[in-house]
Amino acid sequence: GQNIDQPTEMTATEGAIVQINCTYQTSGFNGLFWYQQHAGEAPTFLSYNVLDGLEEKGRFSSFLSRSKGYSYLLLKELQMKDSASYLCAVQDSNYQLIWGAGTKLIIKP
Amino acid sequence: GAVVSQHPSRVICKSGTSVKIECRSLDFQATTMFWYRQFPKQSLMLMATSNEGSKATYEQGVEKDKFLINHASLTLSTLTVTSAHPEDSSFYICSAVPFPGNTIYFGEGSWLTVV
Repeated sequence: GQNIDQPTEMTATEGAIVQINCTYQTSGFNGLFWYQQHAGEAPTFLSYNVLDGLEEKGRFSSFLSRSKGYSYLLLKELQMKDSASYLCAVQDSNYQLIWGAGTKLIIKP
Repeated sequence: GAVVSQHPSRVICKSGTSVKIECRSLDFQATTMFWYRQFPKQSLMLMATSNEGSKATYEQGVEKDKFLINHASLTLSTLTVTSAHPEDSSFYICSAVPFPGNTIYFGEGSWLTVV
């Protein structure tokens, strides 16, 4: 079966760095997405990885290793507004999105 | 700004009535749109894939006669919840993929409450 695993909840301190991991087993691979979702709102796009390596975009970076079925989202200089759920999603061989359950990130002052 | 717009953002309807939710891609054409629902504290669940000019493809367990999807143009897909019941109360989200392209853009979501 197809499976996406990510931690349920993480806590970090304002100004610090946090890494949210995502492992996947899917039927084929056509890319991995990270989305941010604040409570009661639709997800917003953060990053897309299809090749191995690190993609940096401001305070957020995303890493992919296709051979290991592994990705992480790195958030630097954490701000209180970064408190949200972070969703990992993989596009399989049919371009269907397989979603992880999301990681709730709690930022403390 | 938002590239995919959903309307209404919040709707309350009486049990037994029908409600329509619109999903529009504002600055691109989308041959494929997706409809999801999300219950509180749960992950997104794909309901159906909507293809312009053809019938939608529904996920297993989703009643196609209850959740009517119409993708009438390259910029508009609608989801109609027919004979709504309180258990249909949920957050409904659409997404669209530009053609050509790969990134998936989400609408703002629509909260449906059936009373």
